[in-house]
Amino acid sequence: GEEVAQTPKHLVRGEGQKAKLYCAPIKGHSYVFWYQQVLKNEFKFLISFQNENVFDETGMPKERFSAKCLPNSPCSLEIQATKLEDSAVYFCASSQFRGSYEQYFGPGTRLTVT
Amino acid sequence: GENVEQHPSTLSVQEGDSAVIKCTYSDSASNYFPWYKQELGKGPQLIIDIRSNVGEKKDQRIAVTLNKTAKHFSLHITETQPEDSAVYFCAAPIYAADKLIFGTGTRLQVFP
Repeated sequence: GEEVAQTPKHLVRGEGQKAKLYCAPIKGHSYVFWYQQVLKNEFKFLISFQNENVFDETGMPKERFSAKCLPNSPCSLEIQATKLEDSAVYFCASSQFRGSYEQYFGPGTRLTVT
Repeated sequence: GENVEQHPSTLSVQEGDSAVIKCTYSDSASNYFPWYKQELGKGPQLIIDIRSNVGEKKDQRIAVTLNKTAKHFSLHITETQPEDSAVYFCAAPIYAADKLIFGTGTRLQVFP
């Protein structure tokens, strides 16, 4: 498609439960990025993919967060055993090729951990 | 690591006035500088960007200027309209990693 699609729009989980978020990049884009936006608008980079390969995972809290981009499937971000501080809006972005830098963002998934 | 500072944090203008938002970056290798507009409940929308080989770029009422020597870039919005009200973010990529480092955002309010 012409836009980055993210589902679900909202997700509510009790502390300790699992959360799974999905992202479909713009058709033809090879790079996918996940960002977390917390209070005061701060954006934090989590992970990026080049097609189905992890490109940069330096922002991922590895003990509970995992992500995948498999062929012919939406990319996913999974949080095991959610914590209150995981409450945030999670954005997916895609870009056409490495070095283009132009990233187009989806509408986000708001995760609330209670 | 790369750091992007953005000022002001809030900006209120009268409709028709101009608005200017400024950002400073730390990594001299950065060569691409986008500006995003984020409306309430929506994702960031890329509104304009500039690469390091030019000093200014315009698109209708918005423009971005870049000063590589001073390592700062600015967003200029002329003839502001109420629909320009949003949070604006500057960003710069980590060289060779492509991920963006964002500024802290500027909440622009345009009063009719």
